[in-house]
Amino acid sequence: SQTIHQWPATLVQPVGSPLSLECTVEGTSNPNLYWYRQAAGRGLQLLFYSVGIGQISSEVPQNLSASRPQDRQFILSSKKLLLSDSGFYLCAWGGYTFGSGTRLTVV
Amino acid sequence: DQQVKQNSPSLSVQEGRISILNCDYTNSMFDYFLWYKKYPAEGPTFLISISSIKDKNEDGRFTVFLNKSAKHLSLHIVPSQPGDSAVYFCAASEGTDKLIFGTGTRLQVFP
Repeated sequence: SQTIHQWPATLVQPVGSPLSLECTVEGTSNPNLYWYRQAAGRGLQLLFYSVGIGQISSEVPQNLSASRPQDRQFILSSKKLLLSDSGFYLCAWGGYTFGSGTRLTVV
Repeated sequence: DQQVKQNSPSLSVQEGRISILNCDYTNSMFDYFLWYKKYPAEGPTFLISISSIKDKNEDGRFTVFLNKSAKHLSLHIVPSQPGDSAVYFCAASEGTDKLIFGTGTRLQVFP
């Protein structure tokens, strides 16, 4: 069965600091991978998706970037965090399997 | 532009009664619809889905209805249980597994 590992579970970072969230998938090959964000009081917003190594599509302009260095690894990054980057970040495989999420608070 | 909308941010239902969660969409090219349940600080879990070629799909206590002409779908939970209390998201896709989510409805089932 497919599983998604996402870490860390919670993160508190100061404004202007860098960010790296990692997501790895097990039990499947060549998966389509997604990063979503749930901001306070809002729905799940698609940020990035990737259909393969090195292939990244961005859905919304923002302060974040994504990379897919390996088939089963998807990384969300920022060089300088903003307060508005706070939220709950979710990695997903296909349309059915989500990671447990990372709660990011930028202070 | 919100392509998938859940206009009720919250719903409160007594245990044993029916819960009806609604979702509207604007993109007529959507051909697959899903419902997810989400607890705080956890990832969403898939509940039930429906293809645009059907108008109803049932799985145990959960039934999803699709009205393509109205661009509307609903999730019925019968009977509602306290463990159903969570945030419910509807999502839609257009031939891929890239999902567009609604803003969610918080369901509370009270004894």
